[in-house]
Amino acid sequence: DAGVTQSPTHLIKTRGQQVTLRCSPKSGHDTVSWYQQALGQGPQFIFQYYEEEERQRGNFPDRFSGHQFPNYSSELNVNALLLGDSALYLCASSLDPRQGYNSPLHFGNGTRLTVT
Amino acid sequence: AQSVTQPDIHITVSEGASLELRCNYSYGATPYLFWYVQSPGQGLQLLLKYFSGDTLVQGIKGFEAEFKRSQSSFNLRKPSVHWSDAAEYFCAVAPRGGSYIPTFGRGTSLIVHP
Repeated sequence: DAGVTQSPTHLIKTRGQQVTLRCSPKSGHDTVSWYQQALGQGPQFIFQYYEEEERQRGNFPDRFSGHQFPNYSSELNVNALLLGDSALYLCASSLDPRQGYNSPLHFGNGTRLTVT
Repeated sequence: AQSVTQPDIHITVSEGASLELRCNYSYGATPYLFWYVQSPGQGLQLLLKYFSGDTLVQGIKGFEAEFKRSQSSFNLRKPSVHWSDAAEYFCAVAPRGGSYIPTFGRGTSLIVHP
């Protein structure tokens, strides 16, 4: 049973550039959430996708955007990169909680983004 | 707004010793409660969760946690720590119903001495 997979594992970008990170959810899961984890901090919620729509968003600027595809996989896009965007980006999948599923998040191993 | 406090940034224990990691939350109603573990270079793995019922919850890898409503706490415990338990531990809370988005604490780094 494949868990959550993320690509790439590491990425180095320059300030002002744009980046796309990818995530495939655990088999059977339909909801994808993205988190940013700065060094020494806990994960911070960016947004959640369900049925190809952004359902909820955390306190992140519009430079952060996403997409979910019909096969439930997802992308996180960050435009106009800043040095402060350097972090581990985690994707997590679950079953739709609004359907009554109390399924905890299953996390991928993350993408380490370094902005220079 | 809900918040999670993990007051200890680092905890050092000797292998074989007992462990308790503290977690306090601030929320209007009793939320869902979780503990996750993160090894270096890895994502987060769920150790255990509390939804309702028995306030002492058993998890994987010999961990347990106790929910204390009066103290708004959900402390993680293990009777005998192994060197492989060295990792970062995160407490998280999620609101009941709705979008179920967990809020994480800043984590506690566990160091295990041989």
